[in-house]
Amino acid sequence: QLQLQESGPGLVKPSATLSLTCAVSGVSIDTTVYYWAWIRRPPGKGLEWIGSIYYNGNTYYNPSLQSRVTLSVDTSKNQFSLNLRSVTAADTAIYYCARDASFLDSWGQGTLVSVSS
Amino acid sequence: QVVLTQAPSASASLGASVKLTCTLSSGHNNYAIAWQQQQPEKGPRYLMKVNNDGRYTKGDGIPDRFSGSSSGPERYLTISGLQSEDEADYYCQTWDGGIRVFGGGTKLTVL
Repeated sequence: QLQLQESGPGLVKPSATLSLTCAVSGVSIDTTVYYWAWIRRPPGKGLEWIGSIYYNGNTYYNPSLQSRVTLSVDTSKNQFSLNLRSVTAADTAIYYCARDASFLDSWGQGTLVSVSS
Repeated sequence: QVVLTQAPSASASLGASVKLTCTLSSGHNNYAIAWQQQQPEKGPRYLMKVNNDGRYTKGDGIPDRFSGSSSGPERYLTISGLQSEDEADYYCQTWDGGIRVFGGGTKLTVL
């Protein structure tokens, strides 16, 4: 059974880089069928797609975040990662990873990241 | 780029039915969407994909009382026999090439 688990620091300083990893279990990440996505939900707001990555490293990014985001994939560890640079308080959110079949069909439980000095 | 519009809130009584609407922006009537449910303090859960012809495909374990439909630019999620655990935020989501797009979400209150 597919499981996704986010991990990373819960507190990041302003102007620093937010780094998260999503560990995938129950299915190989190097499938040709799916992308793998990051999504976030700021407090009091709705869901926002950040970007998606294929097993070969091909990526799609939200245009509003593209200048600060890098996604990467490690097939040997069956995981993928998010780096978000130059964070501000507006990047405080619960961050989720998900399997991406164009529609997001399986989600992690999420991890709260706060941006504060 | 495609935009999805949802009412911010909806309410219905326990045991009743409710129909939530997601409206696609002009020129995007043929797009499929997915419905996602987010209960309080939980991660989102995929409910179903709804095609422009009204056919829908549910995720694993989604109860029969959840159904989908379409009409023109509108995509619907109908929940019958409302239960207290249906109180949640509901999002529609679509895709435009490699870009994924969410609606603003509807907060459903079960009275």
